[in-house]
Amino acid sequence: EADIYQTPRYLVIGTGKKITLECSQTMGHDKMYWYQQDPGMELHLIHYSYGVNSTEKGDLSSESTVSRIRTEHFPLTLESARPSHTSQYLCASSTRASGNTIYFGEGSWLTVV
Amino acid sequence: GEDVEQSLFLSVREGDSSVINCTYTDSSSTYLYWYKQEPGAGLQLLTYIFSNMDMKQDQRLTVLLNKKDKHLSLRIADTQTGDSAIYFCAEIPDTGRRALTFGSGTRLQVQP
Repeated sequence: EADIYQTPRYLVIGTGKKITLECSQTMGHDKMYWYQQDPGMELHLIHYSYGVNSTEKGDLSSESTVSRIRTEHFPLTLESARPSHTSQYLCASSTRASGNTIYFGEGSWLTVV
Repeated sequence: GEDVEQSLFLSVREGDSSVINCTYTDSSSTYLYWYKQEPGAGLQLLTYIFSNMDMKQDQRLTVLLNKKDKHLSLRIADTQTGDSAIYFCAEIPDTGRRALTFGSGTRLQVQP
């Protein structure tokens, strides 16, 4: 069982609002990831981190930003949400010691109205 | 670049075997994974196979890897209605950015 947690699970907000999706893992994993997934569709990597103070953009261009100040915490922020940001956001983590197996959180469903 | 492809839909009857196929292009892939996603949920890791293996069996699940053809399959024996979900194939390269690249997912529908 993976110990990776995302909050909120479901969020409906208005256009222009700032939101932060939280992701925490208690496994001490050095690598963390954010994927974006529209319902029933494939997952796209939007951000990843190899450790504290390390963040990189993924394959899919995203207006969101991330930070990695602590190993266990990898929040994603949208400064001004728009309806096009409506999607599911999945956080994940891994470490070489676990064979680089990537474990996912339950996901955060964001709806921007 | 990396590319992972899957068929979109598979329908089977309860009790039959299901075979979900996946092809990938990155020859440097070290691990290949199968994830299961139920409606409204996150991804559940089902199984994975290291690239130097041909087969891995775990209870009802059998993974076959043909590295020459870059083909991966997941066989579910005695498929149950609870197996209905989307199944994602994913790979991670040995070099460069070590993040998963996913296929588009195969929706498995199990009919009673």
